[in-house]
Amino acid sequence: QTVVTQEPSFSVSPGGTVTLTCGLSSGAVSTSHYPSWYQQTPGQAPRTLIYRTDTRSSGVPDRFSGSILGNKAALTITGAQADDESDYYCILYMGSDIWVFGGGTKLTVL
Amino acid sequence: QLVESGGGVVQPGGSLRLSCAASGFTFRNFWMSWVRQAPGKGLEWVANIKEDGSAKYYVDSVKGRFTLSRDNAKDSLSLQMNSLTVEDAGIYYCARARSGYYLDTWGQGTLVTVSS
Repeated sequence: QTVVTQEPSFSVSPGGTVTLTCGLSSGAVSTSHYPSWYQQTPGQAPRTLIYRTDTRSSGVPDRFSGSILGNKAALTITGAQADDESDYYCILYMGSDIWVFGGGTKLTVL
Repeated sequence: QLVESGGGVVQPGGSLRLSCAASGFTFRNFWMSWVRQAPGKGLEWVANIKEDGSAKYYVDSVKGRFTLSRDNAKDSLSLQMNSLTVEDAGIYYCARARSGYYLDTWGQGTLVTVSS
């Protein structure tokens, strides 16, 4: 069974740039996996950030961007702010109408 | 807007029915999903249902135990959960699914506790 992988944790300084990735335990991520990204703060429902690899959801600041980097999907935060400190999740479409979340990345801004 | 209800405490082996009331959009035009989150853990996609309810898809761990349904006349989504185990405990989120395989609107979630 294919697992969707994310870094368990990451740290970035305020104003810095960080790239979180979303990979597969077997094979490369492509646009055909329709990667999407979600932000979740403790006690809150997830918020949609990026869909179809690189399209920002309505109201999402342009410091958030999505891409394919090498064999993984990537979420880049440019000019990180304190309120970007959250958990970030990706979803990959695995075919046959099956979706799989990554394990999530806990981002610390300090 | 999506508002979940029906969560609660249930014993292992028991059943629970979750509901999701939709408003502010044309419910019958959208696929819908359930996503869950075990305490202190990550998000897990549980199931999807097509606009007209004619197709349903489930994560392997709930197949044969959970049944997803919808009532487009009442703008509502339901998840019947049977044979519950402690691994099914967590917050269950109702979400709207979009073409391009992503979720764009989320409810606030309803908590399911499985405990004897």
